[in-house]
Amino acid sequence: EVQLVESGGGLVQPGGSLRLSCAASGFTFNNYWMHWVRRAPGEGLVWVSRIITDGSGTNYADSVKGRFTVSRDNTKNTLYLQMNSLRAEDTAVYFCARGLGYTYAFDYWGQGTLVTVSS
Amino acid sequence: QSALTQPPSASGSPGQSVTISCTGTSSDVGGYNYVSWYQHHPGKAPKLMIYEVSKRPSGVPDRFSGSKSGNTASLTVSGLQAEDEADYYCSSYGDSNNFVVFGGGTKLTVL
Repeated sequence: EVQLVESGGGLVQPGGSLRLSCAASGFTFNNYWMHWVRRAPGEGLVWVSRIITDGSGTNYADSVKGRFTVSRDNTKNTLYLQMNSLRAEDTAVYFCARGLGYTYAFDYWGQGTLVTVSS
Repeated sequence: QSALTQPPSASGSPGQSVTISCTGTSSDVGGYNYVSWYQHHPGKAPKLMIYEVSKRPSGVPDRFSGSKSGNTASLTVSGLQAEDEADYYCSSYGDSNNFVVFGGGTKLTVL
């Protein structure tokens, strides 16, 4: 059974940093692109970042470019999101999701971890 | 403001059909057959219901169907059931910068 479990969320002050993790199991992790998607309170889903299978290629939404860094450890089957210079508008539930081939769809998601940026 | 436009709400009675629209532009929905639909019960993991406009992943009931015309994609849920009550999001390939764009979500209520 495919499972994605996020962790690392919490309360952080504006300008602070946080690192999210996503533990994957039930599939061959290094065969899949992985993504981060977030949902701010009362708003819709927003794609945040993508990393390809071996970690050599990444993409970011304009809103987080230069502040967030996605990485993965294929030996630990774990995806990461390092978030720096956090702003109030980064407050959201962050989901990790598995990419479905080259379809630009996400076939499995975690339940998310809440990040709150507030003083 | 979301890149794709969805109605904020939709509703239907058990057994009825409901269609949710998702409007984009020729640069996203209209330009590619990479539209997906997700079902999200708050507090749970979102679930992929449709990908590549009309394909259903294994395990998704055939009551769920997708289509596209021009810059507007649609999700139709037939034979509504109580468990279909959830938020539904569309998405599309965006561009090389914003890889995937989502709609604002539609809350489906089963009356």
